[in-house]
Amino acid sequence: DAKTTQPNSMESNEEEPVHLPCNHSTISGTDYIHWYRQLPSQGPEYVIHGLTSNVNNRMASLAIAEDRKSSTLILHRATLRDAAVYYCILRATYSGNTPLVFGKGTRLSVIA
Amino acid sequence: DSGVTQTPKHLITATGQRVTLRCSPRSGDLSVYWYQQSLDQGLQFLIHYYNGEERAKGNILERFSAQQFPDLHSELNLSSLELGDSALYFCASSPLGQNTGELFFGEGSRLTVL
Repeated sequence: DAKTTQPNSMESNEEEPVHLPCNHSTISGTDYIHWYRQLPSQGPEYVIHGLTSNVNNRMASLAIAEDRKSSTLILHRATLRDAAVYYCILRATYSGNTPLVFGKGTRLSVIA
Repeated sequence: DSGVTQTPKHLITATGQRVTLRCSPRSGDLSVYWYQQSLDQGLQFLIHYYNGEERAKGNILERFSAQQFPDLHSELNLSSLELGDSALYFCASSPLGQNTGELFFGEGSRLTVL
C-alpha cells in the first residue's frame, strides 16, 4: 500500500473549522483515499472516502488535490466530541476486500 | 453502534495461557478483519477472512490463529500468551464486494496478560 504522511497532532478551538492534511505523493490511479477516526477507548470509525472529486457527508468534507498527491479532511465546526486520532489511508481497488493499513494518524485536540 | 459485536470486552489472564476472542460481524457482512492495537505499535492488521476463507495475513504471530465459521462469526485464538500480547483486539466487518466501502469496527476486546 502507498504511504501517507500526516502531522502527529493538531489543536483546534471548539466551533471552528479544522483542516487535517494528508500527503500521499506515491498514490496510484486506483487508490481510494479513506479517512477514519478513533475516539478514546473506541474502535475506529469511518469518516469519509473519495477517489478524485471532493466529497461531502454529514460528518466531514474531503478535499482532494488535483494531482491527488494530497488531501484534506475538513471538519466544519469542531466539537469536543471530535477529539480523536484521525487516520488517512490509501486503499487499492484492484483486489477485493483488502485490509486497511493504519499509520500513526493525527491526534486532534479540541479546546473549549 | 457499528453492529459488530466483540466478546469478551475485557479479559485478564496469565502468561502461557490461551484465550479465544469472538466477533460477530454486521448482518450480511462476509468479510471479517482482526486488528491488534498496543500502545507502542498502533493499529496492526492481523488477518482477514472472507466467507470462511482466509484472504490476507498481516503481522500475525504463529501463536495466534483465527477462523470464520459458516454463520460468519469469527474467533481469534491466542496461545502461549506473553506479556507483550496485552493489547486491544479489534474486529471489523465489511459488506460483500465493496472494496471501496467502509469497515465497521467493534468496540474491541481488551486483553491483559499478567
